Amino acid sequence: AQSVTQLGSHVSVSEGALVLLRCNYSSSVPPYLFWYVQYPNQGLQLLLKYTTGATLVKGINGFEAEFKKSETSFHLTKPSAHMSDAAEYFCAVSENDMRFGAGTRLTVKP
Amino acid sequence: DSGVTQTPKHLITATGQRVTLRCSPRSGDLSVYWYQQSLDQGLQFLIHYYNGEERAKGNILERFSAQQFPDLHSELNLSSLELGDSALYFCASRAGTVNTGELFFGEGSRLTVL
Repeated sequence: AQSVTQLGSHVSVSEGALVLLRCNYSSSVPPYLFWYVQYPNQGLQLLLKYTTGATLVKGINGFEAEFKKSETSFHLTKPSAHMSDAAEYFCAVSENDMRFGAGTRLTVKP
Repeated sequence: DSGVTQTPKHLITATGQRVTLRCSPRSGDLSVYWYQQSLDQGLQFLIHYYNGEERAKGNILERFSAQQFPDLHSELNLSSLELGDSALYFCASRAGTVNTGELFFGEGSRLTVL
């Protein structure tokens, strides 16, 4: 059965610092992996996704993620955090349906 | 704007009552998904409909039911409400059942049970 685990329910970084949000997946078939972002009082919106092909995936707002099969990971990174990046981030795996991790709340300190 | 519309945005009701949440998917999307988001349980998958038929069930309670109508809108019915049902309920749509496609989320219906 498909599942994802997000390590760290809260991550705090300083503005301009590297953002690293961790996600590990479990899937019985080649996984399709997604990162979504949720701003306060809004629905989720897609940041990026991995289906096949290049393992380094670029998304919106300067985010990227690397699919590492050997580590069953799909960590999300951004080289330089901005105040507007403060939000909740969800990793998801899609097999028969889409299952989400518990989420990581990112705080950006000025 | 994702194109997915959910009503009502906010709903306050009492324990034991029944409510219906409505979702209109993006134009042309045949798949509708329902999720429950609460502070202690995260984002839980409830149920998936494709073109009017139930395709998958997740952690949906027996007190809850859903359906998708011929015009593709969907309703989530919650009955015998308990305090613990207070949560944000999201609807999402996808073009088909292909697992590579992204889900488009509505803004959610916030249910408060008093």
